[in-house]
Amino acid sequence: DAGVTQSPTHLIKTRGQQVTLRCSPKSGHDTVSWYQQALGQGPQFIFQYYEEEERQRGNFPDRFSGHQFPNYSSELNVNALLLGDSALYLCASSFFAYSNQPQHFGDGTRLSIL
Amino acid sequence: QQQVKQSPQSLIVQKGGISIINCAYENTAFDYFPWYQQFPGKGPALLIAIRPDVSEKKEGRFTISFNKSAKQFSLHIMDSQPGDSATYFCAAPAGGTSYGKLTFGQGTILTVHP
Repeated sequence: DAGVTQSPTHLIKTRGQQVTLRCSPKSGHDTVSWYQQALGQGPQFIFQYYEEEERQRGNFPDRFSGHQFPNYSSELNVNALLLGDSALYLCASSFFAYSNQPQHFGDGTRLSIL
Repeated sequence: QQQVKQSPQSLIVQKGGISIINCAYENTAFDYFPWYQQFPGKGPALLIAIRPDVSEKKEGRFTISFNKSAKQFSLHIMDSQPGDSATYFCAAPAGGTSYGKLTFGQGTILTVHP
């Protein structure tokens, strides 16, 4: 039973560029949430997708956007990258957005901005 | 907005000892409180979670204790092993209709000496 998978594992970008990160949820899950984890900090909620729509959003600017596909996989897009966007980006999946089901995380994408 | 305060920031115990990590939350609306374990270079792994209708849940060497009136919950690791050395995060749902929007504590770095 495959868990949450994310790609790529590592990514290096320069300021001003755009990046797309990808996530495949755990089998049987239909809801995907994205988190940003700065070094030495707990994950911060970015947004959640269910039924191909953004359902919840944290305190992140609209440079951060996403998409969910019919097969429940998801993408996180970040435009106009800033140095402060350097972090581990985590995808978590769960079943049915409208209840607090346990979320299962992938190993993340380490994004470095130069 | 949900706030979660986790303590201590770091913890050193000897092999076979008991590790105790505490979390306090603010918002009273919740469905469950999960604990995550994170190793370097990996994503957070769901360790154990508790729902509000129980005061304690035990899985193997890991126990969650929940004090609803004090708005606190804690993780106890019995017979701590060097392999338990990791960062531990508590989390709480945002509450209300913000399903799936987890707020994480700052994390506790646990070191178990052999």
